[in-house]
Amino acid sequence: DQQVKQNSPSLSVQEGRISILNCDYTNSMFDYFLWYKKYPAEGPTFLISISSIKDKNEDGRFTVFLNKSAKHLSLHIVPSQPGDSAVYFCAASEGWNSGTYKYIFGTGTRLKVLA
Amino acid sequence: DGGITQSPKYLFRKEGQNVTLSCEQNLNHDAMYWYRQDPGQGLRLIYYSQIVNDFQKGDIAEGYSVSREKKESFPLTVTSAQKNPTAFYLCASIGRGDFSGANVLTFGAGSRLTVL
Repeated sequence: DQQVKQNSPSLSVQEGRISILNCDYTNSMFDYFLWYKKYPAEGPTFLISISSIKDKNEDGRFTVFLNKSAKHLSLHIVPSQPGDSAVYFCAASEGWNSGTYKYIFGTGTRLKVLA
Repeated sequence: DGGITQSPKYLFRKEGQNVTLSCEQNLNHDAMYWYRQDPGQGLRLIYYSQIVNDFQKGDIAEGYSVSREKKESFPLTVTSAQKNPTAFYLCASIGRGDFSGANVLTFGAGSRLTVL
């Protein structure tokens, strides 16, 4: 049973435009969410996170939105750059407040930014 | 430089052999994790450990074993019982992120295991 889902395996966006990557989850106990970027044959690198007490978090070109009632989060990248081309994973944890720290990842979305 | 070191980067194994993947961190992190990446399946949790001498099974622990004898080290053994071991293996640990105290997983560069 996939608790964290990224239903779009791939996305192509023109340089300078907005990229929107989506993630859905099923476990209402998740209280902390993260986005990671990954290049082939490398480890993922952290981008941005959000706790369940917030509905938005911004860091430069990256903004994460959380809709708890819909169990949905999204990552917005504005403006998109060719260097943003990578696979993006969302992850969720139900242990941030309790200290369990078990992180579940989605299947990833491959973003391609076209110059 | 603080970070997570995984070795070897590439490993080939014959069927029926056990292999051990190394993961060492000098970040003073308490919790460590092993994930497996397969095409189209994202990152799946194998085992995790929140403290020395303690670890928990993740979603796909069958055919794997771990130990946590030191805070810095969390080796993963892929046993012959693992039916489909060819994959990219990632080790991670938890550290403090931003000023709010968020906990962010830091990953190593990964190990590619191929069964011949």
